Amino acid sequence: DAKTTQPNSMESNEEEPVHLPCNHSTISGTDYIHWYRQLPSQGPEYVIHGLTSNVNNRMASLAIAEDRKSSTLILHRATLRDAAVYYCILPQGAQKLVFGQGTRLTINP
Amino acid sequence: DTEVTQTPKHLVMGMTNKKSLKCEQHMGHRAMYWYKQKAKKPPELMFVYSYEKLSINESVPSRFSPECPNSSLLNLHLHALQPEDSALYLCASSQLPGTSGRSTDTQYFGPGTRLTVL
Repeated sequence: DAKTTQPNSMESNEEEPVHLPCNHSTISGTDYIHWYRQLPSQGPEYVIHGLTSNVNNRMASLAIAEDRKSSTLILHRATLRDAAVYYCILPQGAQKLVFGQGTRLTINP
Repeated sequence: DTEVTQTPKHLVMGMTNKKSLKCEQHMGHRAMYWYKQKAKKPPELMFVYSYEKLSINESVPSRFSPECPNSSLLNLHLHALQPEDSALYLCASSQLPGTSGRSTDTQYFGPGTRLTVL
């Protein structure tokens, strides 16, 4: 099964963009890339997903490398409420999310 | 309504007790999940129900017994637990794949039940 690698932690300042990287060098051609985040004392929540081309939604943007071996989650203007653990996931089959260690994002006021 | 509710929020139990965790969703989802999350670790999948039938069991010990009485409810029955079973237990739900045209549907998580086993 394909695995993902993320930095353990990152820090940014409020109202600045944040780029969260994820490496998935063993990704297969049909693997979607999903991002979830877990705010303190809450369950995980879906952020965004994509297959090949870049994706945008109201929460974030997902930039996928041309070879699909890496991707970057972009928060365009971070707020204190974006402080969370961000998980980059390659689902295993239709229903199986395998969470890695994720990146703990700290936002400084 | 995109909410998954879980009760109780907190539970303390002894190793000889029997207790149950409850999860409910009213989004019409036909897949429901139990995850276990130890402190400062990522969630780990335990069970998946599809159309009220158990479809995935990640080799979970039999002291954890899931039950899906209907499409909106998911229970996790606990018996003879060990202190190392203390964790946050998360429930999630999703549409079944294929119903939205995506290969893997978004999972919606509840806030979890924090379980302490003494």
